Amino acid sequence: NAGVTQTPKFRILKIGQSMTLQCAQDMNHNYMYWYRQDPGMGLKLIYYSVGAGITDKGEVPNGYNVSRSTTEDFPLRLELAAPSQTSVYFCASSLTVPQGQPQHFGDGTRLSIL
Amino acid sequence: AQSVAQPEDQVNVAEGNPLTVKCTYSVSGNPYLFWYVQYPNRGLQFLLKYITGDNLVKGSYGFEAEFNKSQTSFHLKKPSALVSDSALYFCAVRDGGNTDKLIFGTGTRLQVFP
Repeated sequence: NAGVTQTPKFRILKIGQSMTLQCAQDMNHNYMYWYRQDPGMGLKLIYYSVGAGITDKGEVPNGYNVSRSTTEDFPLRLELAAPSQTSVYFCASSLTVPQGQPQHFGDGTRLSIL
Repeated sequence: AQSVAQPEDQVNVAEGNPLTVKCTYSVSGNPYLFWYVQYPNRGLQFLLKYITGDNLVKGSYGFEAEFNKSQTSFHLKKPSALVSDSALYFCAVRDGGNTDKLIFGTGTRLQVFP
């Protein structure tokens, strides 16, 4: 099993450009999450999804959008890139039951906005 | 609101010595607590969790954690550190509700010296 796959691994964007960060999992997990990791700040939840067609905002959703058309895929969209969105982005997934399942993480997308 | 705190940005220990990485939490209700490890340029990997039961939880790579309700702590421990344990460690708590969203601490960098 590949687990959680994120593409691309690295990207440099110019201010105002848009892009989509891809995330796919092959574990049939219903729950999926997007985080950003900034130095000394831990991980902050951007958006999450409890199943296909259902998404909700996390702690830091501004400037991002998501969709969940299938169980496997959970892309994150940046519409108008800003320097404050320079970060490392992680996608994760987990089983639904029982409660307290560990999350499985991809290896991240390192995004720089100049 | 649920929260976790990791009071040490960095912990240094000599190889072969015991190590402790500290975590305290604040939750309403019973806590679901997790430890994750992050190696350079990789996503987070699950180490162990506490949901209920024995206060001493054993996890991957010889790590264990002790749940202490009176001190609201969940410290990560290992009897004998290895150089290969050097990494970034995150404590996390389940956010509650009907999803498994996690709130992460800011992370502690563990350096094990030969």
